[in-house]
Amino acid sequence: VMTQSPAALSVSPGERATLSCRASEIVHSNLAWYQQKPGQAPRLLIFGASTRATGIPARFTGSGSGTDFTLTISSLQSEDFAVYYCLQYNNFWTFGQGTRVEI
Amino acid sequence: EVQLVESGGGLVQPGGSLRLSCAASGFTFNSAWMSWARQAPGKGLEWIGRIKSKAGGETTDHAAPVRGRFTISRDDSKNTLYLQMNSLKGEDTAMYYCVVGAAGDYYLAYWGQGTLVTVSS
Repeated sequence: VMTQSPAALSVSPGERATLSCRASEIVHSNLAWYQQKPGQAPRLLIFGASTRATGIPARFTGSGSGTDFTLTISSLQSEDFAVYYCLQYNNFWTFGQGTRVEI
Repeated sequence: EVQLVESGGGLVQPGGSLRLSCAASGFTFNSAWMSWARQAPGKGLEWIGRIKSKAGGETTDHAAPVRGRFTISRDDSKNTLYLQMNSLKGEDTAMYYCVVGAAGDYYLAYWGQGTLVTVSS
């Protein structure tokens, strides 16, 4: 089970956002983060817990290993308001329930 | 550029069947592990199954909620992934996404835009 917190996060443009994801068992670094905007498919942001996918801005940082992971968005831009999901791929695939980042 | 285009969604009655297709391009389909994921309206993402490449024996695994009702298959000659859905229930109503796994790794790399399946009488 993947548990994300908080369920929703209210921030202002330019502020820092910190999203958490906790696994019920060790997943090592087999953790990815996705961004999903309304009406769109998910987009890969981070894989291997901390490696940014191609074209992802440096303001997105992933960290953690084992069971506790964090996605940090250093200075929120208007286009970053979305829902963020973590995914463990250590044992099949399991998503967290998502964190909505809103103004 | 990776492209995944799903089709076959629509309205189906409870207990009915539907087959989804996913046309793939822009990568070496026959060596890719492919998955299906879904998202019920207003809800989160759910992985529902995966098929390995031919080199991996085309082994399939399905998530518990769909096991025994849904079957993933592939036709490498057509670069197409399929999802056969039988005994459909209301809780299967969702957007269904075709997803390609990363080469040499296991994360879900690229997603199609999805096809909507509605199960209702």
